[in-house]
Amino acid sequence: AQKVTQAQTEISVVEKEDVTLDCVYETRDTTYYLFWYKQPPSGELVFLIRRNSFDEQNEISGRYSWNFQKSTSSFNFTITASQVVDSAVYFCALTVLLTGGGNKLTFGTGTQLKVEL
Amino acid sequence: GAVVSQHPSWVICKSGTSVKIECRSLDFQATTMFWYRQFPKQSLMLMATSNEGSKATYEQGVEKDKFLINHASLTLSTLTVTSAHPEDSSFYICSAGNPTGSNQPQHFGDGTRLSIL
Repeated sequence: AQKVTQAQTEISVVEKEDVTLDCVYETRDTTYYLFWYKQPPSGELVFLIRRNSFDEQNEISGRYSWNFQKSTSSFNFTITASQVVDSAVYFCALTVLLTGGGNKLTFGTGTQLKVEL
Repeated sequence: GAVVSQHPSWVICKSGTSVKIECRSLDFQATTMFWYRQFPKQSLMLMATSNEGSKATYEQGVEKDKFLINHASLTLSTLTVTSAHPEDSSFYICSAGNPTGSNQPQHFGDGTRLSIL
C-alpha cells in the first residue's frame, strides 16, 4: 500500500518570503511517480509537476522548485518569493507504475498555504 | 485548455434525489477514469475506478449500489449518487489519463460541488 504524508497542515508567510512544503511518501514499489497539485479556493486541481522514481534531478520552474530525495523518501516543494496568488492548498500525490490508461493517485492530506501582504 | 470536462459544476437538491455527474475526456480516449471525493478541508479520497465496457472497481467502504458508475464510451464516465442524503454532500472530482501520452500527468475535471438539503 502507498502512503503520502504532508505533516504541515497550514503555513502562513508574508509575501516575498520563501516557503517549503514537505512531502514524505511510502511505497514498496521500485517504480513510482510523484506529483504536486495546487487547489485554489475554486476547487480545481492544477497540475504542477510529475517526477518518476528514477529521476532524482531537482527541478526548477520559475519560482517553483522541487527536491526529490529517495534516500529520505521525500519530495519537497519550494516557492521562492511567494505571492498572494500562491495561496491555495497544495497536495502531494503518489502512483505506482503508470499504465496506458492512467493510474489512481494516493494523495497526502494537503498543506494550506496562506500568503499575506 | 481543459482536457477533462466535468458537469455539472454545482448541484443543490433535496434529500432522496438521485444526481448524475458526467466526466468527459475531450482530447483523448480514456479506457480508465477515476472518481474521487473530497470533504471540506480534507484530502481527495479515491472512490472507484471506472473501466470502459466493464464494471467499476470500488474502493473499500464505498457503496457500489449508492454510487453507480457507468463508463459506456471511451470519452464518458458518469457517477450517479442514488437517493442522496445530506451526508453525501461533498466535492466530487474525476480524472483520466491519456493512453497515448505516457508522459502526461493525470488530468482532472474541475469538480462538482454537491449539496443535499
